[in-house]
Amino acid sequence: GQNIDQPTEMTATEGAIVQINCTYQTSGFNGLFWYQQHAGEAPTFLSYNVLDGLEEKGRFSSFLSRSKGYSYLLLKELQMKDSASYLCAVLDSNYQLIWGAGTKLIIKP
Amino acid sequence: GAVVSQHPSRVICKSGTSVKIECRSLDFQATTMFWYRQFPKQSLMLMATSNEGSKATYEQGVEKDKFLINHASLTLSTLTVTSAHPEDSSFYICSAAELAGDYNEQFFGPGTRLTVL
Repeated sequence: GQNIDQPTEMTATEGAIVQINCTYQTSGFNGLFWYQQHAGEAPTFLSYNVLDGLEEKGRFSSFLSRSKGYSYLLLKELQMKDSASYLCAVLDSNYQLIWGAGTKLIIKP
Repeated sequence: GAVVSQHPSRVICKSGTSVKIECRSLDFQATTMFWYRQFPKQSLMLMATSNEGSKATYEQGVEKDKFLINHASLTLSTLTVTSAHPEDSSFYICSAAELAGDYNEQFFGPGTRLTVL
Protein backbone atom coordinates (compact mmCIF):
# COMPACT_ATOMS: atom_id res chain seq x y z
CA GLY A 1 0.00 0.00 0.00
CA GLN A 2 0.93 3.63 -0.16
CA ASN A 3 2.01 5.35 2.99
CA ILE A 4 3.22 8.74 4.08
CA ASP A 5 4.42 9.30 7.62
CA GLN A 6 5.00 12.56 9.41
CA PRO A 7 4.88 13.45 13.09
CA THR A 8 1.48 14.35 14.44
CA GLU A 9 2.55 17.39 16.41
CA MET A 10 5.64 19.47 17.09
CA THR A 11 6.34 22.42 19.34
CA ALA A 12 8.96 25.10 18.77
CA THR A 13 9.91 28.52 20.08
CA GLU A 14 9.49 31.80 18.26
CA GLY A 15 12.72 32.73 16.49
CA ALA A 16 14.04 29.18 16.48
CA ILE A 17 14.40 26.59 13.71
CA VAL A 18 12.25 23.50 13.27
CA GLN A 19 12.53 20.53 10.91
CA ILE A 20 9.46 18.52 9.97
CA ASN A 21 10.22 15.10 8.55
CA CYS A 22 8.24 13.08 6.03
CA THR A 23 8.89 9.52 4.89
CA TYR A 24 6.99 7.90 2.07
CA GLN A 25 6.34 4.60 0.38
CA THR A 26 4.40 5.05 -2.82
CA SER A 27 3.86 3.33 -6.14
CA GLY A 28 6.12 5.52 -8.22
CA PHE A 29 7.26 9.05 -7.58
CA ASN A 30 6.69 12.21 -9.53
CA GLY A 31 7.48 14.78 -6.91
CA LEU A 32 6.84 15.74 -3.31
CA PHE A 33 4.94 18.76 -2.08
CA TRP A 34 4.75 20.61 1.18
CA TYR A 35 1.63 22.59 1.99
CA GLN A 36 0.75 24.82 4.92
CA GLN A 37 -2.76 24.72 6.29
CA HIS A 38 -4.11 27.05 8.95
CA ALA A 39 -7.05 25.81 10.96
CA GLY A 40 -10.29 26.05 9.00
CA GLU A 41 -8.55 27.09 5.80
CA ALA A 42 -7.48 25.37 2.61
CA PRO A 43 -3.84 24.36 2.11
CA THR A 44 -1.38 26.76 0.53
CA PHE A 45 1.56 25.63 -1.55
CA LEU A 46 5.01 25.87 0.00
CA SER A 47 7.39 23.77 -2.08
CA TYR A 48 7.83 21.11 -4.69
CA ASN A 49 10.84 18.74 -4.92
CA VAL A 50 11.38 16.18 -7.63
CA LEU A 51 15.20 15.96 -7.60
CA ASP A 52 17.40 15.14 -4.64
CA GLY A 53 18.71 18.03 -2.67
CA LEU A 54 17.73 21.17 -0.86
CA GLU A 55 15.42 23.86 -2.23
CA GLU A 56 15.53 27.14 -0.34
CA LYS A 57 12.77 29.69 -0.47
CA GLY A 58 13.13 32.47 2.06
CA ARG A 59 12.64 31.19 5.59
CA PHE A 60 11.44 27.83 4.31
CA SER A 61 13.60 25.08 2.79
CA SER A 62 12.67 21.61 1.63
CA PHE A 63 14.95 18.63 1.20
CA LEU A 64 14.43 15.41 -0.71
CA SER A 65 16.22 12.07 -0.83
CA ARG A 66 14.48 9.77 -3.27
CA SER A 67 16.67 6.77 -2.43
CA LYS A 68 15.63 7.04 1.21
CA GLY A 69 12.02 7.98 0.56
CA TYR A 70 12.55 10.96 2.81
CA SER A 71 11.92 14.66 2.84
CA TYR A 72 11.99 17.43 5.40
CA LEU A 73 10.66 20.95 5.63
CA LEU A 74 12.92 23.36 7.48
CA LEU A 75 11.45 26.53 8.93
CA LYS A 76 13.84 29.22 10.16
CA GLU A 77 13.28 32.32 12.28
CA LEU A 78 9.93 31.00 13.39
CA GLN A 79 7.09 33.45 13.74
CA MET A 80 3.83 33.01 15.60
CA LYS A 81 1.97 33.02 12.28
CA ASP A 82 3.83 29.83 11.33
CA SER A 83 1.60 27.94 13.75
CA ALA A 84 -0.29 25.68 11.37
CA SER A 85 -0.45 22.16 10.02
CA TYR A 86 2.16 21.18 7.47
CA LEU A 87 1.13 18.57 4.95
CA CYS A 88 3.49 16.37 2.98
CA ALA A 89 2.08 14.98 -0.27
CA VAL A 90 3.62 12.73 -2.92
CA LEU A 91 2.65 12.54 -6.57
CA ASP A 92 2.61 8.86 -7.46
CA SER A 93 3.09 7.11 -10.80
CA ASN A 94 -0.53 7.82 -11.75
CA TYR A 95 -0.07 11.50 -10.92
CA GLN A 96 -2.33 11.11 -7.89
CA LEU A 97 -1.48 13.15 -4.84
CA ILE A 98 -1.06 10.95 -1.78
CA TRP A 99 -1.42 13.01 1.38
CA GLY A 100 0.18 12.63 4.76
CA ALA A 101 -1.94 13.30 7.82
CA GLY A 102 -0.13 16.54 8.50
CA THR A 103 2.06 17.82 11.32
CA LYS A 104 0.55 20.37 13.66
CA LEU A 105 3.24 22.91 14.52
CA ILE A 106 2.76 24.91 17.70
CA ILE A 107 4.91 28.01 18.14
CA LYS A 108 5.44 29.32 21.64
CA PRO A 109 6.65 32.82 22.53
CA GLY B 1 -0.38 33.07 -8.08
CA ALA B 2 -3.57 31.67 -9.54
CA VAL B 3 -6.76 32.24 -7.56
CA VAL B 4 -9.53 29.73 -6.95
CA SER B 5 -12.75 30.70 -5.25
CA GLN B 6 -15.42 28.58 -3.62
CA HIS B 7 -18.98 29.43 -2.76
CA PRO B 8 -20.49 29.23 -0.24
CA SER B 9 -17.81 29.29 2.43
CA ARG B 10 -20.21 27.88 5.01
CA VAL B 11 -23.54 26.15 4.67
CA ILE B 12 -25.90 24.61 7.17
CA CYS B 13 -28.69 22.45 5.85
CA LYS B 14 -31.28 20.00 7.04
CA SER B 15 -30.87 16.28 6.58
CA GLY B 16 -32.29 15.12 3.26
CA THR B 17 -31.70 18.33 1.36
CA SER B 18 -29.17 18.89 -1.42
CA VAL B 19 -26.33 21.38 -1.36
CA LYS B 20 -24.38 22.75 -4.30
CA ILE B 21 -20.81 24.01 -3.92
CA GLU B 22 -19.18 26.05 -6.68
CA CYS B 23 -15.50 26.17 -7.46
CA ARG B 24 -14.16 28.82 -9.84
CA SER B 25 -10.73 29.54 -11.22
CA LEU B 26 -10.67 33.32 -11.41
CA ASP B 27 -7.63 34.15 -13.50
CA PHE B 28 -6.79 30.99 -15.39
CA GLN B 29 -8.46 28.16 -17.27
CA ALA B 30 -8.59 24.98 -15.22
CA THR B 31 -8.63 21.91 -17.38
CA THR B 32 -8.62 19.67 -14.34
CA MET B 33 -10.31 20.26 -11.00
CA PHE B 34 -10.13 18.14 -7.89
CA TRP B 35 -12.60 17.79 -5.04
CA TYR B 36 -11.35 16.89 -1.58
CA ARG B 37 -13.03 16.25 1.75
CA GLN B 38 -11.34 16.79 5.06
CA PHE B 39 -12.68 15.63 8.41
CA PRO B 40 -11.41 17.29 11.59
CA LYS B 41 -7.78 16.55 12.36
CA GLN B 42 -7.45 14.34 9.31
CA SER B 43 -5.69 14.72 6.01
CA LEU B 44 -7.26 15.67 2.72
CA MET B 45 -9.13 12.83 1.02
CA LEU B 46 -9.49 13.05 -2.73
CA MET B 47 -13.09 12.46 -3.74
CA ALA B 48 -12.97 12.91 -7.49
CA THR B 49 -11.08 14.39 -10.40
CA SER B 50 -12.96 16.23 -13.11
CA ASN B 51 -11.86 17.30 -16.54
CA GLU B 52 -13.76 19.95 -18.44
CA GLY B 53 -16.42 18.45 -20.66
CA SER B 54 -16.12 14.89 -19.43
CA LYS B 55 -17.42 12.80 -16.57
CA ALA B 56 -15.64 12.96 -13.26
CA THR B 57 -13.45 10.11 -12.06
CA TYR B 58 -14.44 9.12 -8.54
CA GLU B 59 -12.18 7.59 -5.95
CA GLN B 60 -13.02 4.20 -4.53
CA GLY B 61 -15.68 4.43 -1.88
CA VAL B 62 -17.10 7.75 -3.07
CA GLU B 63 -20.71 7.46 -4.25
CA LYS B 64 -21.02 9.21 -7.58
CA ASP B 65 -24.81 9.37 -7.34
CA LYS B 66 -24.54 11.13 -4.01
CA PHE B 67 -21.74 13.53 -4.90
CA LEU B 68 -22.59 14.92 -8.31
CA ILE B 69 -19.77 16.76 -10.04
CA ASN B 70 -20.17 18.94 -13.07
CA HIS B 71 -17.24 20.62 -14.81
CA ALA B 72 -19.14 22.54 -17.44
CA SER B 73 -16.54 25.12 -18.32
CA LEU B 74 -12.83 25.77 -17.96
CA THR B 75 -13.45 28.04 -15.00
CA LEU B 76 -16.27 26.36 -13.09
CA SER B 77 -16.85 23.02 -11.40
CA THR B 78 -19.71 22.22 -9.06
CA LEU B 79 -20.15 19.57 -6.40
CA THR B 80 -23.70 18.75 -5.35
CA VAL B 81 -24.18 16.75 -2.19
CA THR B 82 -27.56 15.09 -2.69
CA SER B 83 -29.79 14.00 0.18
CA ALA B 84 -27.24 15.17 2.69
CA HIS B 85 -26.96 13.44 6.05
CA PRO B 86 -25.11 14.44 9.23
CA GLU B 87 -22.20 12.14 8.34
CA ASP B 88 -21.64 14.27 5.22
CA SER B 89 -20.73 17.20 7.45
CA SER B 90 -17.16 18.03 6.53
CA PHE B 91 -14.82 20.58 5.00
CA TYR B 92 -14.97 20.36 1.21
CA ILE B 93 -12.06 21.80 -0.75
CA CYS B 94 -11.61 22.13 -4.47
CA SER B 95 -8.36 22.65 -6.34
CA ALA B 96 -7.52 23.38 -9.93
CA ALA B 97 -4.65 22.61 -12.25
CA GLU B 98 -4.06 24.95 -15.15
CA LEU B 99 -2.97 22.65 -17.94
CA ALA B 100 -4.03 19.15 -18.93
CA GLY B 101 -1.50 16.75 -17.45
CA ASP B 102 0.20 19.49 -15.47
CA TYR B 103 -0.06 18.14 -11.96
CA ASN B 104 2.93 19.97 -10.60
CA GLU B 105 0.86 22.41 -8.61
CA GLN B 106 -2.74 22.55 -7.59
CA PHE B 107 -4.30 25.82 -6.56
CA PHE B 108 -6.74 25.39 -3.72
CA GLY B 109 -10.00 27.13 -3.08
CA PRO B 110 -10.70 28.41 0.44
CA GLY B 111 -12.99 25.48 1.24
CA THR B 112 -16.66 25.07 2.15
CA ARG B 113 -17.69 23.96 5.60
CA LEU B 114 -20.86 21.90 5.37
CA THR B 115 -22.92 21.15 8.45
CA VAL B 116 -25.91 18.86 8.06
CA LEU B 117 -28.37 18.95 10.92
